[in-house]
Amino acid sequence: ETGVTQTPRHLVMGMTNKKSLKCEQHLGHNAMYWYKQSAKKPLELMFVYNFKEQTENNSVPSRFSPECPNSSHLFLHLHTLQPEDSALYLCASSLGQENEKLFFGSGTQLSVL
Amino acid sequence: GQNIDQPTEMTATEGAIVQINCTYQTSGFNGLFWYQQHAGEAPTFLSYNVLDGLEEKGRFSSFLSRSKGYSYLLLKELQMKDSASYLCAVRDGDYKLSFGAGTTVTVRA
Repeated sequence: ETGVTQTPRHLVMGMTNKKSLKCEQHLGHNAMYWYKQSAKKPLELMFVYNFKEQTENNSVPSRFSPECPNSSHLFLHLHTLQPEDSALYLCASSLGQENEKLFFGSGTQLSVL
Repeated sequence: GQNIDQPTEMTATEGAIVQINCTYQTSGFNGLFWYQQHAGEAPTFLSYNVLDGLEEKGRFSSFLSRSKGYSYLLLKELQMKDSASYLCAVRDGDYKLSFGAGTTVTVRA
């Protein structure tokens, strides 16, 4: 148990669907992150939030829309995805935003049909 | 961009030692991390090096040479539960973190 919980664990969606991924951390951290993990590739940073404010968008397509209502919760809203977006989406948190020790959730395995 | 290289796969026998190398080229340096990720699970923190030398933590040790842009993770007395992917990550001068693609270690009986 890392203190970071992601739901759902698995998601299958069509290209026209709208779905949301949820992340919650119980660690009192101030920074939260979305990463994309594809097979045999490095983790790709998507978004960073610090004290609820987005501080980094790593050139992510607009079909991915993050939301951070408070320091404990992070969402990733998905709309009109492509099959190449199929991957494991990992949420992480850290005490501050300077990428110190990250605590990861178990991820959402997303399949886009 | 940053360049982090580590082997794709390694296989070793239970009770043996395995060394996972990581080389990096970054703009500035503010530390190197190793994470362990079992299949279907969250990556978990193993070690952090910011100064040259060896950091030992039980069966796992991590080494850093900043002048060579090189680190290794040493796993001793391998156990079956050590079968996992090991991720090397480097924080650059702007505190941006870049990950390698990971090394899948398979421990055989």
